[in-house]
Amino acid sequence: GENVEQHPSTLSVQEGDSAVIKCTYSDSASNYFPWYKQELGKRPQLIIDIRSNVGEKKDQRIAVTLNKTAKHFSLHITETQPEDSAVYFCAASTDRGSTLGRLYFGRGTQLTVWP
Amino acid sequence: NAGVTQTPKFQVLKTGQSMTLQCAQDMNHEYMSWYRQDPGMGLRLIHYSVGAGITDQGEVPNGYNVSRSTTEDFPLRLLSAAPSQTSVYFCASSWTGGRGSPLHFGNGTRLTVT
Repeated sequence: GENVEQHPSTLSVQEGDSAVIKCTYSDSASNYFPWYKQELGKRPQLIIDIRSNVGEKKDQRIAVTLNKTAKHFSLHITETQPEDSAVYFCAASTDRGSTLGRLYFGRGTQLTVWP
Repeated sequence: NAGVTQTPKFQVLKTGQSMTLQCAQDMNHEYMSWYRQDPGMGLRLIHYSVGAGITDQGEVPNGYNVSRSTTEDFPLRLLSAAPSQTSVYFCASSWTGGRGSPLHFGNGTRLTVT
């Protein structure tokens, strides 16, 4: 099955700086890559996603890039704010084969933004 | 819409006890799933279902059972609780699972097995 690795596991940045979280995946058939944000004590919530026919997607201060050849994708947060502090999870899935519909998560990155 | 509703929010069990974690969604989602979340381990898939009457195992299915008799409900049963099952459990649903539709998570159940 798919294997998703996420780095770094912890990330500390100063308010206003940028933060980048990187994920790699193993299954070349994976074609959907969502990112979830989980604040302390709360449920994960989708913040952005990208499909394999797109190389980059932006939503205000958040962007995701995808390199299908290298099988990695990244989350970029610009002008970070203290409310960006949370655990971020990347995930990958394929719509083919025996694992149809399954979403494989990375282990998460604890982002701390210092004021 | 209530979204995904999980009950209970907290539960303490003794080793060997059984219980059922409830999950219901009112979005008419075909896909439902259960994850457990442990520190440093991310979200690990226990069981999932692509529709009523259809279930399949995820990464960590041992010690858990599921059934999907209706589109709305997807209960998770712990057969004989063990301390290793102490965790936070999330139910999640979507239109098509990982095929390009986002997962909606419930608020979680924090389970402690003593």
